[in-house]
Amino acid sequence: SQTIHQWPATLVQPVGSPLSLECTVEGTSNPNLYWYRQAAGRGLQLLFYSVGIGQISSEVPQNLSASRPQDRQFILSSKKLLLSDSGFYLCAFSGTEAFFGQGTRLTVV
Amino acid sequence: AQKVTQAQTEISVVEKEDVTLDCVYETRDTTYYLFWYKQPPSGELVFLIRRNSFDEQNEISGRYSWNFQKSTSSFNFTITASQVVDSAVYFCALSGLGGSGNTGKLIFGQGTTLQVKP
Repeated sequence: SQTIHQWPATLVQPVGSPLSLECTVEGTSNPNLYWYRQAAGRGLQLLFYSVGIGQISSEVPQNLSASRPQDRQFILSSKKLLLSDSGFYLCAFSGTEAFFGQGTRLTVV
Repeated sequence: AQKVTQAQTEISVVEKEDVTLDCVYETRDTTYYLFWYKQPPSGELVFLIRRNSFDEQNEISGRYSWNFQKSTSSFNFTITASQVVDSAVYFCALSGLGGSGNTGKLIFGQGTTLQVKP
């Protein structure tokens, strides 16, 4: 069966520190992968998507970057976090429907 | 441009009442998918339904039902005999088919927070 794993579940980081969130998918090959962010009390916004290894498309200008070093691995990064990067981050992959990870709640202090 | 509007920010009902969550979408695509997701307090997104633009037949799943009307670009969600466990944020979403026939990127509405009181 298809599953998606995302970690960590929660993270508190100081302003200016680096970030690395990891997402892996099982049970499927060559999936389309996505990173979404949900700011407090708001809807989900697509940040990045990838249709293959090394292929990253950015939807909105921001302080974050994404990488796909392996077929089923998707990483969200930042060199220096800003307060405005706080939010709930969700990784997803799509086949006949979109499957979401458990999410990472990031608080930048 | 694609857009999803969920005009109801918050709804509060008493248990056993029926409740309808509205969703209106905009797209220039002739082929697209519509979704509903539930987000309980724990935060994960729970898939509820996917409907493609060719299928306007209404769907019922237990206490849940969906009314898709292409003429009004609406995809409304009704919970019959609501229960406290239905309390969550509900998102409506839209996507194209994507380059390889999959669901592509999701455009979400802002969500409707449903509170069901005992």
